[in-house]
Formats: sequence, structure tokens, C-alpha cells
Amino acid sequence: SAVISQKPSRDICQRGTSLTIQCQVDSQVTMMFWYRQQPGQSLTLIATANQGSEATYESGFVIDKFPISRPNLTFSTLTVSNMSPEDSSIYLCSVDMTGGAPGYGYTFGSGTRLTVV
Amino acid sequence: SQQGEEDPQALSIQEGENATMNCSYKTSINNLQWYRQNSGRGLVHLILIRSNEREKHSGRLRVTLDTSKKSSSLLITASRAADTASYFCATDLGGGRRALTFGSGTRLQVQP
Repeated sequence: SAVISQKPSRDICQRGTSLTIQCQVDSQVTMMFWYRQQPGQSLTLIATANQGSEATYESGFVIDKFPISRPNLTFSTLTVSNMSPEDSSIYLCSVDMTGGAPGYGYTFGSGTRLTVV
Repeated sequence: SQQGEEDPQALSIQEGENATMNCSYKTSINNLQWYRQNSGRGLVHLILIRSNEREKHSGRLRVTLDTSKKSSSLLITASRAADTASYFCATDLGGGRRALTFGSGTRLQVQP
């Protein structure tokens, strides 16, 4: 399975500012996924990031608020822009290494705990 | 939107007891996965059961799947304090989409 290095692990940010979260994977992957986990809640998919194309966003999430970069097959960033306290959440990246034949699970980064004050 | 619900939302047991968590989902699936999350950190994959399987074991974990009822259960036997975590079921979004959708989760507390 893959190993993902996600950073920062946590941050406290002022409202109106932006934070960029990075995920580095130790092997090449086609798709990377970004999730948000609001306090006490489950995970919600923000977008799917493919290398060389624009990310695909889920309903309720827009590129202006959550721009994503995917410059190569091992790296992606998620930016949370113009933050408000409602953006306080854990943000996680994930990859699927199963090659379309899942016998194993997905791998997740360790998460970024964001607090907006 | 979430694929489904899990129950109970929270479960507190003593060490050595068994813990059972249930998951319901809404659409047809290829497989169903269970994940564990410690203290709001990253998720760890526990076990995957395919849609044509009814039961699967891995160590102290036992997973069942009932596709007619669109439900699954996770049983942890002989629980330990280290099993304290949140547990989530997850399925793929379907339609060839590889991203996962998660259940609402069960918070398990194992008292030493």
C-alpha cells in the first residue's frame, strides 16, 4: 500500500486568509481524493484530483473556495481560501492503489486539523 | 451526500466484550469497506468485503454483508482498550467513480 505524507498536521488561521495543504505519496497514483470532516461528523468528498486535468468537485464545493493542484502523479495540494470559522474541519487526502481491482483499501493521509478564528 | 447510516452512533463496552456496529447503505455496491479513525486522525483500512461475499474474517474482526437488506455489520471480538476509535463503513460512489462515500460512523469506547 502507499504511504502519504500530509502537512501541516494542524493549523490555526485567521478568518479571511488561505491555507494550503500538501499531500505527497510515495508512489505514482492516478487519482487523489480530498475529503472534509467537520467536527463530530463523517467524511465528505470535496473533489477528485487527476494529474493533468482539472479537479472534479462534488456538489457544494467550488474551485474558487477549494482550489486543487495536481502537478504530478505523486503530489497534490488543496487550498482553503478566504477562510471562515465554518471551514474549521479536518481535511484528508486519500489515494486508491488498487488499480481498479480492489482487494485492499484506500490509503489516507494523517489529516490536517484546521481551526479558523 | 452520505451513503448511509451507522448504528449505534456511540458504544461503550468493557475490555474483553464484543462490539457490534451496523451500517446501512442506499445504492448497489461493488464492495463495502470498514475503516478505523483514532482521535480525528487519518483513517486506517480494516477490511473489505465484496458484494458476492456474505462474511469475512480478519483476526478479531468479522464482517457480514446482506445485499438484500443493504446492510453490513462489523464485529470486534475480545475488545481491547486500544480498539477505542471511530469506525466507518464506506462504499465507492458507483458509476465507475473510485472515490468513497462514508457512513455516519460509530464511536467505540472500550473501558479497561
